[in-house]
Amino acid sequence: AQSVTQLDSQVPVFEEAPVELRCNYSSSVSVYLFWYVQYPNQGLQLLLKYLSGSTLVKGINGFEAEFNKSQTSFHLRKPSVHISDTAEYFCAVTQYGNKLVFGAGTILRVKS
Amino acid sequence: GAGVSQSPSNKVTEKGKDVELRCDPISGHTALYWYRQSLGQGLEFLIYFQGNSAPDKSGLPSDRFSAERTGGSVSTLTIQRTQQEDSAVYLCASSKRGDSYGYTFGSGTRLTVV
Repeated sequence: AQSVTQLDSQVPVFEEAPVELRCNYSSSVSVYLFWYVQYPNQGLQLLLKYLSGSTLVKGINGFEAEFNKSQTSFHLRKPSVHISDTAEYFCAVTQYGNKLVFGAGTILRVKS
Repeated sequence: GAGVSQSPSNKVTEKGKDVELRCDPISGHTALYWYRQSLGQGLEFLIYFQGNSAPDKSGLPSDRFSAERTGGSVSTLTIQRTQQEDSAVYLCASSKRGDSYGYTFGSGTRLTVV
């Protein structure tokens, strides 16, 4: 069975600073990895996904993530955050694409 | 439609009552998923429909929960004899055949059991 650990429940950062949201997964087989963002009172929006190929994945809103198989990690990064990036971010994994297993979420708080 | 539509957006019900939550997926999407988001439990998979195949019900927490999908389109999640621990946001997602990794989520139904 797969599991996902998001190491930080909250990450405060100042506007225009870089940020990294950490995600580690556990699985005995090859998996596919995702980052989703959830703004208040909204559903989940896909930021980016890793299925195969290049381990550096670029997503929407300037976010990127790097798949590291040896460390079983898929950390999300942005070089310069905006106030509008304040939201909750979820890392997720699936083996066959039929159901996602989510981490507990990381709340990103961008301060001016 | 342009997106996954869920109704109602909010539902308050009395303990012991039955509720029905509706999901209208994106037109042409053959796969449909239900998830539950609650404090302390995070996002939990409930059930998955793919075309005419038997649904994967492995995430349903009890036999009070059931779901159906009529005509391969609209889905209804039914919770019988609601309990306070059923209070959560219920999210629906859909995806195209062959693109099971491209889920689109609805805005959810916030269920409060009082």
